[in-house]
Formats: sequence, structure tokens, C-alpha cells
Amino acid sequence: KAGVTQTPRYLIKTRGQQVTLSCSPISGHRSVSWYQQTPGQGLQFLFEYFSETQRNKGNFPGRFSGRQFSNSRSEMNVSTLELGDSALYLCASSLVGQQNTEAFFGQGTRLTVV
Amino acid sequence: AQSVAQPEDQVNVAEGNPLTVKCTYSVSGNPYLFWYVQYPNRGLQFLLKYITGDNLVKGSYGFEAEFNKSQTSFHLKKPSALVSDSALYFCAVRDWAGKSTFGDGTTLTVKP
Repeated sequence: KAGVTQTPRYLIKTRGQQVTLSCSPISGHRSVSWYQQTPGQGLQFLFEYFSETQRNKGNFPGRFSGRQFSNSRSEMNVSTLELGDSALYLCASSLVGQQNTEAFFGQGTRLTVV
Repeated sequence: AQSVAQPEDQVNVAEGNPLTVKCTYSVSGNPYLFWYVQYPNRGLQFLLKYITGDNLVKGSYGFEAEFNKSQTSFHLKKPSALVSDSALYFCAVRDWAGKSTFGDGTTLTVKP
């Protein structure tokens, strides 16, 4: 059974540009969550999608957005990139987003903004 | 709002000794608690979870965790540490809506 796949693994962008990250969940998983991981801020929740609808949202500015497709694949977009957006972005999928189910994480996309 | 605290940034233990990584939480309603481990340049891997039932939960790689409702704690333990256990450990709580909150992580270093 394939795990959670995130593409690309590494990305370098210039300040002011925008970026789109992709996440393919484990087959059958309909809940996809996104997290930002930085050395200073730890693991911060961005948003969660379930059945193409955003169900939960963290405390990030509107520059951070996402969407989920009918096949449960999800994309995350960051517009007008800032240096502080440099981070490891992790995607996690779980079965139907129930509170008692664990999340399965991808290896992440390392975004560097220069 | 729910929260998770991991009071120790770093834990150092000698190989073969028992280890404990501490976690306390705050959540409305029944807590759903998880431990994850992260190796360098990798995503998080699930170790174990507490949903209900026995307070001592057993998980992967010989790890276990003890749920203590009165102290709102969910400490991760292992009777005998291995060098390969060295990694970053995260405690997480999940609320009724499915939103997860993670602690800041604890770096475990096991020395030979």
C-alpha cells in the first residue's frame, strides 16, 4: 500500500513568487491535513480538507490556501512568498478524519524562499 | 482551545536505560492522544494512541505511553533505550472535530 506522496520534495522560490505543493493521500483516505514545520515554531496546523471541503483552518494569513480534488488529492498554494515561509510543509492523510484515527504523514516538501 | 505541552526540548539517556518523554495536554471533552516520531528529513511516523480503555498503551518499536487523566499527562516510555531511538518525538491531541494540535517536540538522544 503506497504511503502519502508529496511533490516536489525540494523547492527554491524567490520572495514575492507563489508556489503550489501537491499531496496524494493513502488510497481510501479522504481527510488531508497540511502542516508547516519550522525550527522556531514547531509543527503548525494549516488546514484540513475532507470530501473537497475545508473543515478546519489554522491561524495562517490568507496567502495560504488549499483545495482538495474528488480523488482526495490535495494542493496547497502560498502566494506572495515571504522569507519566513521557508519551512518543511507536511501533508497527512487519515481515514474519514475521525478523531480516533492516526494520521499518516508524507516526507514533506522543503520550501526555501530566497 | 486545546493545547499540548512537551516541557523538555531535549532528553538524553544512555543506551539500555529506561526513557521517558513527557507530555501534558488540555482539551475539552474526551482526549484522543497520539505520539509520533520524526527521523531527520522524514515525515512523522505514528507510534501509538490513546482513545479509551487501559491507561497503559503499547505501540511500535517497544514504546508505551501512560495516560493519566488527573494529571492530564500522556508520557511516552520505553524500558530499554536503543541508539536508533534517537529522533524527534511529538505528542498530539485531537479534538471531536478532528483537528490535531501538536506539541513543540522533544529531541531524544540515546548515547552508546
